[in-house]
Amino acid sequence: QSVLTQPPSVSAAPGQKVTISCSGGSSNIGKNFVSWYQHLPGTAPKLLIYGNNKRPSGIPDRFSGFKSATSATLDITGLQTGDEADYYCVTWDNTLSAVVFGGGTRVTVL
Amino acid sequence: EVQLVESGGGLVQPGRSLRLSCTASGFTFADYDMSWFRQAPGKGLEWVGFIRSRAYGGTIEYAATVKGRFIISREDSKSIAYLQMKSLEIEDTAVYYCARAQALRGFDPWGQGTLVTVSS
Repeated sequence: QSVLTQPPSVSAAPGQKVTISCSGGSSNIGKNFVSWYQHLPGTAPKLLIYGNNKRPSGIPDRFSGFKSATSATLDITGLQTGDEADYYCVTWDNTLSAVVFGGGTRVTVL
Repeated sequence: EVQLVESGGGLVQPGRSLRLSCTASGFTFADYDMSWFRQAPGKGLEWVGFIRSRAYGGTIEYAATVKGRFIISREDSKSIAYLQMKSLEIEDTAVYYCARAQALRGFDPWGQGTLVTVSS
């Protein structure tokens, strides 16, 4: 199982909001920055959020990240059909000396 | 345009070796850390390892699942990162991705990936 815990799936209607949670511990999220990635199977994963809450250029402000203590969340507002993908949270773990991932969350637009 | 292209994937028998390449363009390759990831069929993304830039000693970190079997290297003059995989196991079957790594800015961009199938 993954070091970081994400829900397997979330869903909402177009235009609505989804929140993806990412739970970790004191050796990973508690001490390091979190980044989020969008992945459509067969394509290159895309960076959505870095440094807990910063968006790279070109990423719309419908995507926002937040971190508190040992958990992080990714909000997607104004949901679009093109947002259907898998989403992963990622950080460094000081105890494992490794990059650690969440198990991924499949977003479905109803 | 910043771009990464993986190559070298294919079908290989268990116990054999394979070397993947990640060819970069559009940025000063030598200035950046580079990382490898993989995604096994039906599974999530998994970190394989990374190599720091020469400015940070060129040191390398590996995931526990591949340490001792995989070797990451880089050739800055050619803008290529390598993943040498030895003693391959069926469980190493996956799409392998490379990505540019920035300590505080995440992994960006990623390549399209190359498929490695380990099977007899």
